Amino acid sequence: LAKTTQPVSMDSYEGQEVNITCSHNNIATNDYITWYQQFPSQGPRFIIQGYKTKVTNEVASLFIPADRKSSTLSLPRVSLSDTAVYYCLGNRDDKIIFGKGTRLHILP
Amino acid sequence: SQTIHQWPATLVQPVGSPLSLECTVEGTSNPNLYWYRQAAGRGLQLLFYSVGIGQISSEVPQNLSASRPQDRQFILSSKKLLLSDSGFYLCAWTPERNVYGYTFGSGTRLTVV
Repeated sequence: LAKTTQPVSMDSYEGQEVNITCSHNNIATNDYITWYQQFPSQGPRFIIQGYKTKVTNEVASLFIPADRKSSTLSLPRVSLSDTAVYYCLGNRDDKIIFGKGTRLHILP
Repeated sequence: SQTIHQWPATLVQPVGSPLSLECTVEGTSNPNLYWYRQAAGRGLQLLFYSVGIGQISSEVPQNLSASRPQDRQFILSSKKLLLSDSGFYLCAWTPERNVYGYTFGSGTRLTVV
């Protein structure tokens, strides 16, 4: 079981870069690391997924060290609309298990 | 393109009444399907998942059940609702483990009164 641990909450300011780190000590060799974003009363939305090193898309970057026991989601130049809960996901068989997520609050 | 539909969006039901929430996926075959519940201010709890018709796995003992009568249809049910069944219910699907991100429906807000 790949249990994940991430900070409960974080605050940042508009225009700043935000990094959220997740630990997943028991991640399986063939498991990917996936991050989701959830706004209130909405389903989680896929942000980014990676296996190792660095992945970048139009929304975020994902940094994964060689041992894959942790990952860091990087959000460049956040805005108020990035206020949400961010989940780092672990996998078990064919299921994904959500942790409690990180509640990110962006301040003006 | 693939889409997921979940309804109703909101539901208020009295204690002891039955429940049926439906989820359907379009544009794909043999998806893995999931039901999650989120209590107010909490994370998402996996309730059921299915890798094929008639194949249901339950994650936690509870007052709910799930069925998959067709390949792209997933139903969450209860015979008698409890107050503790209130929450935000989300259906999700994925075509293949670890390759694509999971796609979630828009959710059903259930309030048991």
